[in-house]
Amino acid sequence: GQQLNQSPQSMFIQEGEDVSMNCTSSSIFNTWLWYKQDPGEGPVLLIALYKAGELTSNGRLTAQFGITRKDSFLNISASIPSDVGIYFCAGQTYSGTYKYIFGTGTRLKVLA
Amino acid sequence: DAGVTQSPTHLIKTRGQQVTLRCSPKSGHDTVSWYQQALGQGPQFIFQYYEEEERQRGNFPDRFSGHQFPNYSSELNVNALLLGDSALYLCASSLGDGQYGYTFGSGTRLTVV
Repeated sequence: GQQLNQSPQSMFIQEGEDVSMNCTSSSIFNTWLWYKQDPGEGPVLLIALYKAGELTSNGRLTAQFGITRKDSFLNISASIPSDVGIYFCAGQTYSGTYKYIFGTGTRLKVLA
Repeated sequence: DAGVTQSPTHLIKTRGQQVTLRCSPKSGHDTVSWYQQALGQGPQFIFQYYEEEERQRGNFPDRFSGHQFPNYSSELNVNALLLGDSALYLCASSLGDGQYGYTFGSGTRLTVV
């Protein structure tokens, strides 16, 4: 099935560092979502973006909806150990109802 | 306020068997979507149920079927299990058409041996 491309695939960072990751698609989306998944849990919604060019923050997280509508970016500032997990982007499609196509994930590991 | 609950949490089945996974949506939600997440991959859309009918389906074979009950809970059935069906199966609920995202359960880990 279709999946969006996320990069980097994984990253190790030091506590306190800023993190950047992105998600690209060959298709246009009208909505982008970012989720975080902890081991043994389902994904939890972090940020939703509804408009091209939109920049939205949620605490230390900032996400942007690319102007081409084919990409999105997530930044985490001043990372802490609990930021460890897998981050997924998801693009929304509509075919009578809404469904989400997920990215391949970025695995984040924070070194204390 | 309970979120999305799934059962069982873990399951081991033999190739060729059939399995049923269950999901109760978050209180107030009426739409249930099912996703398959293989190890190291993102979730893949299986299908979505609303008003007890399948509303949209992903690229999965007919061995995958579902049902939604009047109380909005849902079941995912998989027949003739293959080794490749081993995955985390996630249930997600939403209100209406899911325009503002889903709430996910913790999933059922299915292992086919």
